[in-house]
Amino acid sequence: NAGVMQNPRHLVRRRGQEARLRCSPMKGHSHVYWYRQLPEEGLKFMVYLQKENIIDESGMPKERFSAEFPKEGPSILRIQQVVRGDSAAYFCASSPFSSYNSPLHFGNGTRLTVT
Amino acid sequence: AQSVSQHNHHVILSEAASLELGCNYSYGGTVNLFWYVQYPGQHLQLLLKYFSGDPLVKGIKGFEAEFIKSKFSFNLRKPSVQWSDTAEYFCAVNARDGGSQGNLIFGKGTKLSVKP
Repeated sequence: NAGVMQNPRHLVRRRGQEARLRCSPMKGHSHVYWYRQLPEEGLKFMVYLQKENIIDESGMPKERFSAEFPKEGPSILRIQQVVRGDSAAYFCASSPFSSYNSPLHFGNGTRLTVT
Repeated sequence: AQSVSQHNHHVILSEAASLELGCNYSYGGTVNLFWYVQYPGQHLQLLLKYFSGDPLVKGIKGFEAEFIKSKFSFNLRKPSVQWSDTAEYFCAVNARDGGSQGNLIFGKGTKLSVKP
């Protein structure tokens, strides 16, 4: 009964490189959410996706960040031309339903370090 | 803008002491409220939630929380903590008419250290 799987756990990138973070939701879950946690801060919502659709991207930075959740395969959070300020823990969560009463199940996170 | 504030950054208690972690939110509409816990090296886990009904909510591992609408508060309590409760605790709010489901607003977290 695998939970939400994120990989890699740790990712180091130099400034200007691309970072790709992967998230496989729990079995049977078709709703995926990405959150970012900066040092000494709480988690901040970034984007909510269903299969092949972006539902809410109100928390995504306007440039360099993109997310997808294809019909097959994991959800991907992509950060182009990373900068030091992108260093953070990125958490993925999933839920089975599109409902306010459907709690989120979180993964272990990917810790991105930009050097 | 909606926000969640957790009053304590780090709380240190001895085993068997009582615990209360404060959480206040700023939003005037209908909310769902959550407490999540993150044990060292593990993922965030749901401790308890409030959607409607009885404002006193029981969660796992002996935790409970009380929703006081007039105070915009959702404080977490446990009568007697154990060493295994050492973790970081996050309060979160979902504004039902102010954001999509899954758009949770988190507090900055409270680290709880329980001395054996």
